[in-house]
Amino acid sequence: DGGITQSPKYLFRKEGQNVTLSCEQNLNHDAMYWYRQDPGQGLRLIYYSQIVNDFQKGDIAEGYSVSREKKESFPLTVTSAQKNPTAFYLCASSPRDRARNQPQHFGDGTRLSIL
Amino acid sequence: SQQGEEDPQALSIQEGENATMNCSYKTSINNLQWYRQNSGRGLVHLILIRSNEREKHSGRLRVTLDTSKKSSSLLITASRAADTASYFCATDDAGGTSYGKLTFGQGTILTVHP
Repeated sequence: DGGITQSPKYLFRKEGQNVTLSCEQNLNHDAMYWYRQDPGQGLRLIYYSQIVNDFQKGDIAEGYSVSREKKESFPLTVTSAQKNPTAFYLCASSPRDRARNQPQHFGDGTRLSIL
Repeated sequence: SQQGEEDPQALSIQEGENATMNCSYKTSINNLQWYRQNSGRGLVHLILIRSNEREKHSGRLRVTLDTSKKSSSLLITASRAADTASYFCATDDAGGTSYGKLTFGQGTILTVHP
């Protein structure tokens, strides 16, 4: 079955450490997205990519970095510059369609905590 | 900043009752989408309504859109305990070239008691 796989499910970060969250999709979607969700809150966009080798900052990109070397993969690195990284991170993908009427498909998230 | 504001923040009902959630937004949109999130899981797409549509149905779900008031509502009829989840509206804002970029509301937590 096609879908989005995020790993790991739980991740712990030490002070000063960079950590990378994995997101892989086999839906053949061009566009991929990273969101951050804090308790009781909606989703905030960190980065998005509409095509391989291209990505754009979202609303809260500071302290994060991404790469998009393959269509299937869009890893997110939480750097030591992100001072409050504890959150639930969600990856999503969608077709890149001129009609712009496409839903996003989500993975099951990675919960990141500070040790 | 969040485009969508949802109301109520939390809703508690009995099985069999209807649940209505509302979403307001600020700018012109291309479409509005509703998603569901079970605790600790990712979001699942429920329904998409385009800016030129006023009402859409899918099973027990009914969505309305009033672009003049910049608001939408999600109605779940004959609710079940399994409908317990958080529900989010998300807008695809008109204009620009960022295909599919969504802005999410804060969500409504629905609890359906057996």
